[in-house]
Amino acid sequence: AQTVTQSQPEMSVQEAETVTLSCTYDTSESDYYLFWYKQPPSRQMILVIRQEAYKQQNATENRFSVNFQKAAKSFSLKISDSQLGDAAMYFCAYRRAAGNKLTFGGGTRVLVKP
Amino acid sequence: KAGVTQTPRYLIKTRGQQVTLSCSPISGHRSVSWYQQTPGQGLQFLFEYFSETQRNKGNFPGRFSGRQFSNSRSEMNVSTLELGDSALYLCASSATPGLGIQYFGAGTRLSVL
Repeated sequence: AQTVTQSQPEMSVQEAETVTLSCTYDTSESDYYLFWYKQPPSRQMILVIRQEAYKQQNATENRFSVNFQKAAKSFSLKISDSQLGDAAMYFCAYRRAAGNKLTFGGGTRVLVKP
Repeated sequence: KAGVTQTPRYLIKTRGQQVTLSCSPISGHRSVSWYQQTPGQGLQFLFEYFSETQRNKGNFPGRFSGRQFSNSRSEMNVSTLELGDSALYLCASSATPGLGIQYFGAGTRLSVL
């Protein structure tokens, strides 16, 4: 069974600075997808960024970028120029190539200090 | 385009009762998945439906069931509620399984007293 681990329960960052969230996963599959979702206090899960395992290039979305290390099964998220609106729970998630089942990590709470 | 709509937003029930939660996917989306979120267990997959067929089911007791209608709307039902069923129930929709992005609704907060 696939597992996703987020080792940092909480991270704090100063506004305008950079924070990196860690995620490791375990799978025997070679084709899969990895995601970072953001869940603000409103509870709605919002997709931040997606990475296809077969792509070596790291995904980027504006201020959000990932460091995908397939051999190490590591998938970290970097938030640059942090803004107050970035404060939320962040979940790393894994999905096999086929199907829709997402396996989530335990989450990392990001606090942004003004 | 309207997002994923879950109703009701909040629900309070007592032990032993049953409850039905509803999820209307984004227009054109035919795949719906359900997740349970609790502080202790985190986010756990409940089941996935596509074209009215259950494609996948998580490790939950038979008290948890679901279905999908021809218009892609989905319901999940929990019978004989237990205190541990108190959770945020999230629904996600996508166009087809395995392709595209899953979009989540705001969830239904169920409290069992």
